[in-house]
Amino acid sequence: GAVVSQHPSRVICKSGTSVKIECRSLDFQATTMFWYRQFPKKSLMLMATSNEGSKATYEQGVEKDKFLINHASLTLSTLTVTSAHPEDSSFYICSAVGVLAQETQYFGPGTRLLVL
Amino acid sequence: AQSVTQLDSQVPVFEEAPVELRCNYSSSVSVYLFWYVQYPNQGLQLLLKYLSGSTLVKGINGFEAEFNKSQTSFHLRKPSVHISDTAEYFCAVSVTTSGTYKYIFGTGTRLKVLA
Repeated sequence: GAVVSQHPSRVICKSGTSVKIECRSLDFQATTMFWYRQFPKKSLMLMATSNEGSKATYEQGVEKDKFLINHASLTLSTLTVTSAHPEDSSFYICSAVGVLAQETQYFGPGTRLLVL
Repeated sequence: AQSVTQLDSQVPVFEEAPVELRCNYSSSVSVYLFWYVQYPNQGLQLLLKYLSGSTLVKGINGFEAEFNKSQTSFHLRKPSVHISDTAEYFCAVSVTTSGTYKYIFGTGTRLKVLA
């Protein structure tokens, strides 16, 4: 139980294009999903908290217009990196919490983004 | 403010030897504590968690951790490691912010198991 998937697992794009990453909770309903960014050999940096049906809450220093988050259903949240630049290249990981155990996050496998 | 400290950035250990990965936290309120493992180019997998009750928590893959409130620690242990345990280990504290639980992560400990 508590499986979270991400798609795609790896994406390469040209500078200036937009990339969408999907995060799905496969066997539970996720009222809240989180988006993290991880730099090489570093810990996870929380980018934003996404609640179903409402606007995402972004952490300080994260550009809302650059990292668009949509949480349209209880099983799907998307992160769109708009007008991507090489410095956006990173490993993006999502996590989800269920209705009954909101203190425990279950993580997706991550998406490796490379912007050329 | 809450924080999580993992003092050891790297821990080398020989196969079949015991290992302890240290985690200390600071918090003025009750916390929930977690250990996750991350293999290269993968997401985080939950090893174990402490929410309440028994301070000795057993997790997957033979790992266990002990919650020590007086020392504000939650160290992870395994009596005999395997090569396959080589990975990055993260300790995390779950805290509530405006009704939402968020994680505060430690900086991670790289466990390298040597043959």
